[in-house]
Amino acid sequence: AQSVTQPDIHITVSEGASLELRCNYSYGATPYLFWYVQSPGQGLQLLLKYFSGDTLVQGIKGFEAEFKRSQSSFNLRKPSVHWSDAAEYFCAVGASGTYKYIFGTGTRLKVLA
Amino acid sequence: DVKVTQSSRYLVKRTGEKVFLECVQDMDHENMFWYRQDPGLGLRLIYFSYDVKMKEKGDIPEGYSVSREKKERFSLILESASTNQTSMYLCASSLDRRVGLTGELFFGEGSRLTVL
Repeated sequence: AQSVTQPDIHITVSEGASLELRCNYSYGATPYLFWYVQSPGQGLQLLLKYFSGDTLVQGIKGFEAEFKRSQSSFNLRKPSVHWSDAAEYFCAVGASGTYKYIFGTGTRLKVLA
Repeated sequence: DVKVTQSSRYLVKRTGEKVFLECVQDMDHENMFWYRQDPGLGLRLIYFSYDVKMKEKGDIPEGYSVSREKKERFSLILESASTNQTSMYLCASSLDRRVGLTGELFFGEGSRLTVL
């Protein structure tokens, strides 16, 4: 069955530190992969997506993610976190040829000043 | 920019009431979705519509219905609200039914429903 796992429910980092949020997926074919961010009380905003090609994907707000097929992972990274990055982050997989998107349970990021 | 608007950000309803959640998108997208978001459970799909008057059940359709009379509008209906339907409801849209053609979902800001 298709699934997305975000093993870290909460992560706390200091402002200026680097960040890596983990995402592992289970999907039989080549997945379409997404990272979304949700600020408190808001909807989800797309950070970046991977469909094919270069496995290192650049997104908005200085985020990047790397698709590693051998590890079934799509981890999100940022070299230097800003206080405004505090939010909840969701990884998602799109099933090719269908409308279906599968979301992870989210990772809540706290940033210490 | 695509805009998905959910008309009610916060609602408080009584058990047994009929509840309407409205969603409008302004980019002529084919697909519209209703998700429910609960802590620790992520986003779960309630219903999906790929065309006017067309709908498909998602993962948790029980207790909900939907209406799509116009392309830009997708309504979620709780026929008889119950306390276990207290949640955040997110509407989303995408250009085409097949993920590979468009990619992302565009989300509204959410409707937080409390059922007492």
